[in-house]
Amino acid sequence: KQEVTQIPAALSVPEGENLVLNCSFTDSAIYNLQWFRQDPGKGLTSLLLIQSSQREQTSGRLNASLDKSSGRSTLYIAASQPGDSATYLCAVKDDKVIFGPGTSLSVIP
Amino acid sequence: GAVVSQHPSWVICKSGTSVKIECRSLDFQATTMFWYRQFPKQSLMLMATSNEGSKATYEQGVEKDKFLINHASLTLSTLTVTSAHPEDSSFYICSARFPQGSWGANVLTFGAGSRLTVL
Repeated sequence: KQEVTQIPAALSVPEGENLVLNCSFTDSAIYNLQWFRQDPGKGLTSLLLIQSSQREQTSGRLNASLDKSSGRSTLYIAASQPGDSATYLCAVKDDKVIFGPGTSLSVIP
Repeated sequence: GAVVSQHPSWVICKSGTSVKIECRSLDFQATTMFWYRQFPKQSLMLMATSNEGSKATYEQGVEKDKFLINHASLTLSTLTVTSAHPEDSSFYICSARFPQGSWGANVLTFGAGSRLTVL
């Protein structure tokens, strides 16, 4: 059974810092891994999708890497801004999409 | 890009009533849709997989008689919470998958979610 974990559960950083969010999964037989952002009380915003054959994807200040063999992905956020404050979820797809518990990020002005 | 519309965004109902939530794929045919539930400060938990024209497949621990799922067309799936109780209050999110064989077959597009509050 696929299990997804995220570390840390919560993170508070001053504005401008670079930061790394971690996602781990137990079964490496995945189709893809996706990072989402969720604002309080809102739905999901897809940030980056990494196919199983890819090692990383970049979008603006965001960079996500995937090491399928070790069951890990990282989301790197450069030059963090207060607007980045949200919960970040990773999700892996095998025959279902399984979400991690999320990392709650707070960027302090 | 692909859009999934979910309605209503917010619903408040009395205990014992039934509530229907709609999930529509606006510009693509979704043979499979998924329903998730999210309790406060928790992650999304898959409730069921909805396949067009057939019965939904429910995850372990999800009461299929309480959470009725209907996927009557290629663009619409509905989740009905029957005889809702306060413990059913949650954030419900649907997602839709592009047809098998298409480029996006393994990519899910999510709706904005529906927040249910049962008084």
